[in-house]
Amino acid sequence: EADIYQTPRYLVIGTGKKITLECSQTMGHDKMYWYQQDPGMELHLIHYSYGVNSTEKGDLSSESTVSRIRTEHFPLTLESARPSHTSQYLCASSDVGTGNGYTFGSGTRLTVV
Amino acid sequence: KNQVEQSPQSLIILEGKNCTLQCNYTVSPFSNLRWYKQDTGRGPVSLTIMTFSENTKSNGRYTATLDADTKQSSLHITASQLSDSASYICVVSDRGSTLGRLYFGRGTQLTVWP
Repeated sequence: EADIYQTPRYLVIGTGKKITLECSQTMGHDKMYWYQQDPGMELHLIHYSYGVNSTEKGDLSSESTVSRIRTEHFPLTLESARPSHTSQYLCASSDVGTGNGYTFGSGTRLTVV
Repeated sequence: KNQVEQSPQSLIILEGKNCTLQCNYTVSPFSNLRWYKQDTGRGPVSLTIMTFSENTKSNGRYTATLDADTKQSSLHITASQLSDSASYICVVSDRGSTLGRLYFGRGTQLTVWP
């Protein structure tokens, strides 16, 4: 049973709109992550957080921003969506290190038209 | 450069047959290797996780092997079912940083036909 939740599952939005992708986990994990995945391609880390008020950029440059005000919540925001932002966005969380507690959400499929 | 290579890229098998997926990696220093199943449009779900000292781990009809010397892993699926159709992703974690970086393969797209 998934303990990490992403909303919305699907989003189609016009160019220039501001959007926020939600991610929440109920496992009390300190570490949370955002990945971007295009069809048939590997996951790329775009943001991560070690805990409250801690956020870092990942390997893949992204115009999105994140915040971590509460342990369980790690939203991702795009101030002005563009067609190049069309992708699947996956949120994940983990316990200490990256042991067995690494869990992914179901993802948000974003389409910018 | 740390990399994870999976083969084949795609595979079609008939229901009830067995198959084996391959993963080669160059990640160092090695911490653990995971196999995930990702259904279309969903997030990856963990199947197995193996550390350096483990060379076999099973989860139902899924059996993963690890050869840390040759840096190879395989995922064997026994008596395939239609619900096994998915992408299978090999993920290797290093222990070179506090983040415990994850390196993802591109996955093998498995299709099971009736």
